[in-house]
Amino acid sequence: DGGITQSPKYLFRKEGQNVTLSCEQNLNHDAMYWYRQDPGQGLRLIYYSQIVNDFQKGDIAEGYSVSREKKESFPLTVTSAQKNPTAFYLCASHLGAYGYTFGSGTRLTVV
Amino acid sequence: KQEVTQIPAALSVPEGENLVLNCSFTDSAIYNLQWFRQDPGKGLTSLLLIQSSQREQTSGRLNASLDKSSGRSTLYIAASQPGDSATYLCAVPGGGADGLTFGKGTHLIIQP
Repeated sequence: DGGITQSPKYLFRKEGQNVTLSCEQNLNHDAMYWYRQDPGQGLRLIYYSQIVNDFQKGDIAEGYSVSREKKESFPLTVTSAQKNPTAFYLCASHLGAYGYTFGSGTRLTVV
Repeated sequence: KQEVTQIPAALSVPEGENLVLNCSFTDSAIYNLQWFRQDPGKGLTSLLLIQSSQREQTSGRLNASLDKSSGRSTLYIAASQPGDSATYLCAVPGGGADGLTFGKGTHLIIQP
């Protein structure tokens, strides 16, 4: 079945460490997105990519980086510059005017 | 900038009741609106997608309506069941390629 796979499900980061969240889709969608979800704040856009080798900052890009080397993959790196990374991270994709599809999320915790 | 508001923020009702969740948005120049369901600790599951040319969309016990001119959408759940307990999110496309703008959701509890 087509869909979005996010891994790992849970991730723990030590202070000063960079960590990378994986997002893979087999829907043949052009556009991919990363959102952050915090309690009481709703979902906020971190980065998005419309095509391979191109991506744009969203509303809260500081402390994060992405790459889009393949259509199917859009990994997110949470760098040490992100001072409050504990959150639930969701990856999404869509094609044209069709609806968005979301992955099952990665919960990142600072230890 | 697009803003999405969902009312109520939380709702608790007995099983079997019909209920309505509300969503409003500030910029009516949208081409579609999407309703999602989120269970605790899980990702988002798409429930209904309404194109701007449509006024309603139905899936089983769910019916969503869209009134672009007034900037409103409603999600109607018929004969609610405990399994419907979840957070329901409304989202509309942002300007250009900015992804979706979300409301903060309605946390729904259906009491057995």
